[in-house]
Amino acid sequence: DAGVIQSPRHEVTEMGQEVTLRCKPISGHNSLFWYRQTMMRGLELLIYFNNNVPIDDSGMPEDRFSAKMPNASFSTLKIQPSEPRDSAVYFCASSLYRGSYHEQYFGPGTRLTVT
Amino acid sequence: DQQVKQNSPSLSVQEGRISILNCDYTNSMFDYFLWYKKYPAEGPTFLISISSIKDKNEDGRFTVFLNKSAKHLSLHIVPSQPGDSAVYFCAASVTGTASKLTFGTGTRLQVTL
Repeated sequence: DAGVIQSPRHEVTEMGQEVTLRCKPISGHNSLFWYRQTMMRGLELLIYFNNNVPIDDSGMPEDRFSAKMPNASFSTLKIQPSEPRDSAVYFCASSLYRGSYHEQYFGPGTRLTVT
Repeated sequence: DQQVKQNSPSLSVQEGRISILNCDYTNSMFDYFLWYKKYPAEGPTFLISISSIKDKNEDGRFTVFLNKSAKHLSLHIVPSQPGDSAVYFCAASVTGTASKLTFGTGTRLQVTL
């Protein structure tokens, strides 16, 4: 399996622009997670989906952030408008949840820089 | 409100010695704990885990210890190798939350020759 695929790997944009990050989970996995990594807060869970349905979006920092999972093989995280403080590495992870904890597999991340 | 804390941002250990990474948590509902390892420009990868019904779990050179009363866990690496140099994240989960993880801020381990 190719693992979790994220695109783009790097994104540089100007403040106020819309940014869309993409994720393809591992085939057969039913849970998908979006994380943000910063020096100050480490890895923060933004939102997670189970069977394509958003379960917990309490980590989404503001209304400027939105995430969708239209099908089992694709998810997007959108920031509109972007701000310099959104600069971070964003990770997508997937897992196969069957009632108890199951390992999460992370993608390589998208490094976002907002100038 | 950081529910999982790694108070040491960095640690340097000589090759062959023991590395001990520490993690504290505040949420008593957490019942499953994990360590993830992260190399630069890569996503975190699962290393080892422990359920709250145990106080120790061992996998080769890696051992995780859990002290529930102190809400503390630690990762021991013996012997440390240069390839172990990475950022280590402690994470915790509550059973039944679809594998939702709460991570600490990470500890950067440097294993020197």
